Amino acid sequence: GAVVSQHPSRVICKSGTSVKIECRSLDFQATTMFWYRQFPKQSLMLMATSNEGSKATYEQGVEKDKFLINHASLTLSTLTVTSAHPEDSSFYICSAPESRGSNSPLHFGNGTRLTVT
Amino acid sequence: KQEVTQIPAALSVPEGENLVLNCSFTDSAIYNLQWFRQDPGKGLTSLLLIQSSQREQTSGRLNASLDKSSGRSTLYIAASQPGDSATYLCAVAGRDDKIIFGKGTRLHILP
Repeated sequence: GAVVSQHPSRVICKSGTSVKIECRSLDFQATTMFWYRQFPKQSLMLMATSNEGSKATYEQGVEKDKFLINHASLTLSTLTVTSAHPEDSSFYICSAPESRGSNSPLHFGNGTRLTVT
Repeated sequence: KQEVTQIPAALSVPEGENLVLNCSFTDSAIYNLQWFRQDPGKGLTSLLLIQSSQREQTSGRLNASLDKSSGRSTLYIAASQPGDSATYLCAVAGRDDKIIFGKGTRLHILP
């Protein structure tokens, strides 16, 4: 079945550094990928929609200069947390629809646990 | 703006019991609704996907129903097992392709 691979699964970084998270669709092409953030005991919150070959669409309240998204190919989207702060510590998950259209199931990566010290 | 609510927020039941998790959404103009399972610190596992034209889907001991007009979905788990302990999330796909999640129900099955 369709698989989305997310890397790394865990990362610890120091304040002020940048961290890149990769999301790959392994056996299908994803023109769109979604990035979510989840704080403890809270729901997944959509951060941005990554579109292959064009700019990402950010949700209200998400700083696009802080959370840089690149979707350079049909199988890879990256989220870079720039100048990370402790409050950015969270669980980040990417997802991709298997195909275009409303009937397509959504596949998720296993998530990245980011801890900023 | 679509809002998704899950009740209860947490639930503990003895092993073997049947149980129902509830999900409600405010905008009935949806494409589909999906139920996920999330284990602590892990990603999401898709359980069932119900298209807007469908009323229910079944997979093993799981049955999900959808009443789009009333904005409700239920996830029925039969003969619960300790391995069913997890957080269950419902997510609604709208016409803008955005997926809106509920806050989840933390389920604990008592051995």
